[in-house]
Amino acid sequence: DTAVSQTPKYLVTQMGNDKSIKCEQNLGHDTMYWYKQDSKKFLKIMFSYNNKELIINETVPNRFSPKSPDKAHLNLHINSLELGDSAVYFCASSAGAWVGYTFGSGTRLTVV
Amino acid sequence: GQQLNQSPQSMFIQEGEDVSMNCTSSSIFNTWLWYKQEPGEGPVLLIALYKAGELTSNGRLTAQFGITRKDSFLNISASIPSDVGIYFCAGHSQGGSEKLVFGKGTKLTVNP
Repeated sequence: DTAVSQTPKYLVTQMGNDKSIKCEQNLGHDTMYWYKQDSKKFLKIMFSYNNKELIINETVPNRFSPKSPDKAHLNLHINSLELGDSAVYFCASSAGAWVGYTFGSGTRLTVV
Repeated sequence: GQQLNQSPQSMFIQEGEDVSMNCTSSSIFNTWLWYKQEPGEGPVLLIALYKAGELTSNGRLTAQFGITRKDSFLNISASIPSDVGIYFCAGHSQGGSEKLVFGKGTKLTVNP
């Protein structure tokens, strides 16, 4: 059983399109995250939800909108995609940041 | 914001050699974590450290929580080809937000 699963694994789309990435965790964790990993492999936090409530919202364009229908799911919707949005997006979950995160395997988004 | 300086940025070694990498911060952390990311996958937690001076091993990996609480080290002994990947340090401050601060990673290449 995959602990943190993201879909799709790969996403190629044109500029201006709207796309969504889905994430689900079966670990019973209360907190979920979205991270962006750029071409230099730097991991940058975007959002975090705790039990469906937004608790972290870093400086991210408002074209990015997370949604957490329940504590096991955290989806990311991106409007009006731009070339600079091309990156790998990781979902993660934790029982508390101090015990570490469990990451999904990532979604490679390519905007052309 | 908090930043972690991770070094070296990359390492090219021969199989069988020992590896050492470190992370430093200008501020104190209460938790240090080390992750490994393999190509096409998300980071996976290797070792978690919770006490200043703590030395923890996981197979051929050994990590230490610096006494000043501002640094941590990861050593890999007798490297093998499957050690290839990017190693990230991460820190968490008690009383801080529910997020980890990540280093920029050390890319390890092992030549057979």
